[in-house]
Amino acid sequence: DTGVSQDPRHKITKRGQNVTFRCDPISEHNRLYWYRQTLGQGPEFLTYFQNEAQLEKSRLLSDRFSAERPKGSFSTLEIQRTEQGDSAMYLCASSPNEAFFGQGTRLTVV
Amino acid sequence: GEDVEQSLFLSVREGDSSVINCTYTDSSSTYLYWYKQEPGAGLQLLTYIFSNMDMKQDQRLTVLLNKKDKHLSLRIADTQTGDSAIYFCAESMGTGGFKTIFGAGTRLFVKA
Repeated sequence: DTGVSQDPRHKITKRGQNVTFRCDPISEHNRLYWYRQTLGQGPEFLTYFQNEAQLEKSRLLSDRFSAERPKGSFSTLEIQRTEQGDSAMYLCASSPNEAFFGQGTRLTVV
Repeated sequence: GEDVEQSLFLSVREGDSSVINCTYTDSSSTYLYWYKQEPGAGLQLLTYIFSNMDMKQDQRLTVLLNKKDKHLSLRIADTQTGDSAIYFCAESMGTGGFKTIFGAGTRLFVKA
């Protein structure tokens, strides 16, 4: 499978815990994006990497959120001290031009 | 600010044409996209159009762009039950999903 891969697919966590998601982009894609999608809404842009450099961060990305792409390949998105409002689908996409999306990680904070 | 508006639901009979409409506010948008999302799945790029084009056709899909009115539509000919999904209109100033702004999606129901 050469598509964008995200892990885990589902995560249930207690409020206040930290969670980390991983995204493996299509191997030759140098751009990587994180989006968040809540029920009944379209995806909202969170952040963007060109290779290992994080070039843009949305205001949606509070101080509790951090994203990395240390070697310009896979990326991680960490949420610290999770809150119920963080419950959403977190989507990763990669591109040379048109964005290819992974299937997402569905986070439920209880 | 930037905004993309879509109607929430559309119901059609199998074999009919579906037309999903979208309006956007950012006149500097360069690329306009249509994505499809099936239950539990990620987004699949269906087609896109550059802002200097009026129309793009790709098999059963026809995209029409009225840049003056900032109106985008997606027509699906001979709609099939497998076309039932949520369709997202999106805009961006660059390729590759860079700060792409999505609408809330139109849920298409196809009745057999």
